[in-house]
Amino acid sequence: KNEVEQSPQNLTAQEGEFITINCSYSVGISALHWLQQHPGGGIVSLFMLSSGKKKHGRLIATINIQEKHSSLHITASHPRDSAVYICAVRLSRATNKLIFGTGTLLAVQP
Amino acid sequence: GAGVSQSPSNKVTEKGKDVELRCDPISGHTALYWYRQSLGQGLEFLIYFQGNSAPDKSGLPSDRFSAERTGGSVSTLTIQRTQQEDSAVYLCASSFGGGASSYEQYFGPGTRLTVT
Repeated sequence: KNEVEQSPQNLTAQEGEFITINCSYSVGISALHWLQQHPGGGIVSLFMLSSGKKKHGRLIATINIQEKHSSLHITASHPRDSAVYICAVRLSRATNKLIFGTGTLLAVQP
Repeated sequence: GAGVSQSPSNKVTEKGKDVELRCDPISGHTALYWYRQSLGQGLEFLIYFQGNSAPDKSGLPSDRFSAERTGGSVSTLTIQRTQQEDSAVYLCASSFGGGASSYEQYFGPGTRLTVT
């Protein structure tokens, strides 16, 4: 069993829809990252959080430390949001090693 | 300012040859990471450098893999006696700091390595 699980693996949405991608982890962590990878491979860091909620434009990330769960929300989705979204966790302050989920492939249709 | 750069962008090599992959981090970033993304697989941590501290090599898959970081800036990942299973995209990232605190990581475009 992977230490970091994402759901769904694939998601197709219509433009304008509200999207939620989930990430669950089975170990204690010191931080969680959400990354975006567009076709062609470029990876962009969207959020890094260790508690609560962060918002950037149409993107919102939340984390519940007790439940070992994080969600990434996209409001008013657009075709340019189509990408792979990856959750990654830093296990402890003793290591900077990140453990990655397998990603969620999002396709937003016009 | 410039982002993280990597070279070459693509590398095709024959099985058994050695390869060197280069990463130029963002100026002023003290932490540097190497990751690997194999076809159809998720991202995998390889090695981490932070300032003058000993690198965290816990992700290197075998002793054919090594990395160094000169002068706290440029890093080179070396794969000796390449095997076909080494074929992957090798990604470098840097961050402002490391240690006990967590920082956002900035990724380079990657080097696509193909071993024939």
